[in-house]
Amino acid sequence: DTAVSQTPKYLVTQMGNDKSIKCEQNLGHDTMYWYKQDSKKFLKIMFSYNNKELIINETVPNRFSPKSPDKAHLNLHINSLELGDSAVYFCASSQDSETYNEQFFGPGTRLTVL
Amino acid sequence: GQNIDQPTEMTATEGAIVQINCTYQTSGFNGLFWYQQHAGEAPTFLSYNVLDGLEEKGRFSSFLSRSKGYSYLLLKELQMKDSASYLCAVLDSNYQLIWGAGTKLIIKP
Repeated sequence: DTAVSQTPKYLVTQMGNDKSIKCEQNLGHDTMYWYKQDSKKFLKIMFSYNNKELIINETVPNRFSPKSPDKAHLNLHINSLELGDSAVYFCASSQDSETYNEQFFGPGTRLTVL
Repeated sequence: GQNIDQPTEMTATEGAIVQINCTYQTSGFNGLFWYQQHAGEAPTFLSYNVLDGLEEKGRFSSFLSRSKGYSYLLLKELQMKDSASYLCAVLDSNYQLIWGAGTKLIIKP
């Protein structure tokens, strides 16, 4: 059984397009995250979200927006894609956001903007 | 600012022991994680330390010294499958995970 799943695994698109990446977790966790990992392999938190609070990394452009239809899903929508958005995007989840707990990662979505 | 430092790359021999160091400066501390990430795959959890000392888990051990802002991951009896990046991450006072850039470990036969 897949704990954290993302679709699509690969996404190739043109500059200026709008795209979405879907994430689902079946672990019953309360908190979900989106990370961006660039070519230098730095994992950068973009958002963390539970049913109470959305925490946005202030360096993330407002072209990026998380959408959560329910606590098992946190989708990432990106408007007006730019070349610099090319990266691997990881979704993750954890039991909650206020105590120790490991994060479980999805398989990643490799986004290439042409 | 918050900072996590790890070596960029290390090389070791199959069957040997390797120690990957991590130093950190963060606003508060609620624990330190080590994750393993194979190329093209997602990070997977290895260990969590919040108290000083050594935690052993099979071939892998993790050490923490909070007063020195220092941790290391010790890998024994290295296997080829241990070739991966090892990411150090610290949970700060707001329970936000601050990630290091990772150490790429290359295992040679």
